[in-house]
Amino acid sequence: SQKIEQNSEALNIQEGKTATLTCNYTNYSPAYLQWYRQDPGRGPVFLLLIRENEKEKRKERLKVTFDTTLKQSLFHITASQPADSATYLCALPSSGGSYIPTFGRGTSLIVHP
Amino acid sequence: EAGVTQFPSHSVIEKGQTVTLRCDPISGHDNLYWYRRVMGKEIKFLLHFVKESKQDESGMPNNRFLAERTGGTYSTLKVQPAELEDSGVYFCASSQDWGTSEKLFFGSGTQLSVL
Repeated sequence: SQKIEQNSEALNIQEGKTATLTCNYTNYSPAYLQWYRQDPGRGPVFLLLIRENEKEKRKERLKVTFDTTLKQSLFHITASQPADSATYLCALPSSGGSYIPTFGRGTSLIVHP
Repeated sequence: EAGVTQFPSHSVIEKGQTVTLRCDPISGHDNLYWYRRVMGKEIKFLLHFVKESKQDESGMPNNRFLAERTGGTYSTLKVQPAELEDSGVYFCASSQDWGTSEKLFFGSGTQLSVL
């Protein structure tokens, strides 16, 4: 089955800077990759989906890239704000025949004012 | 529109007892999923319903776990008897037909503590 790797160390950045989070996967290339945001005591909230034939997707201050050669997705938050502080989860299908998202452990982002 | 709701938000039980978790999906969502997060680990898939049918239950840890979705509306997840390793946060999620909106809407979870 698919293995998803996200940096377990928290990412600390200054307000206004761009935050970049990484999601690496092993094995096969998934049909899609998703990013979710999770706040303490809450469930994950869907942010963006990018498909295997897309290189980049944008939504307001968010940008996601998908490199199937490197087996990697990058998640960028530009002009970061303290309110962006949360854990960000990468999710993709667990196997070639599945469409159900399997989650990485997530990376904690802390934006300092 | 109401989101996915889960009840209870917290449950503390002793080893060997039974606990039943409930999930109400977003109205009109045929797909319902249960996930679990054990401390320090990633959120892991347990099972998937399409309406009242179990589509995929490959993530269910063992036969102490029983999920139902009678009538294709709300779902329950029963753990009987509970063991210490069952402690964690149980999340429910729902989605519309896959292929039109591949995103999950999650509830806030049930924090289960087995002592």
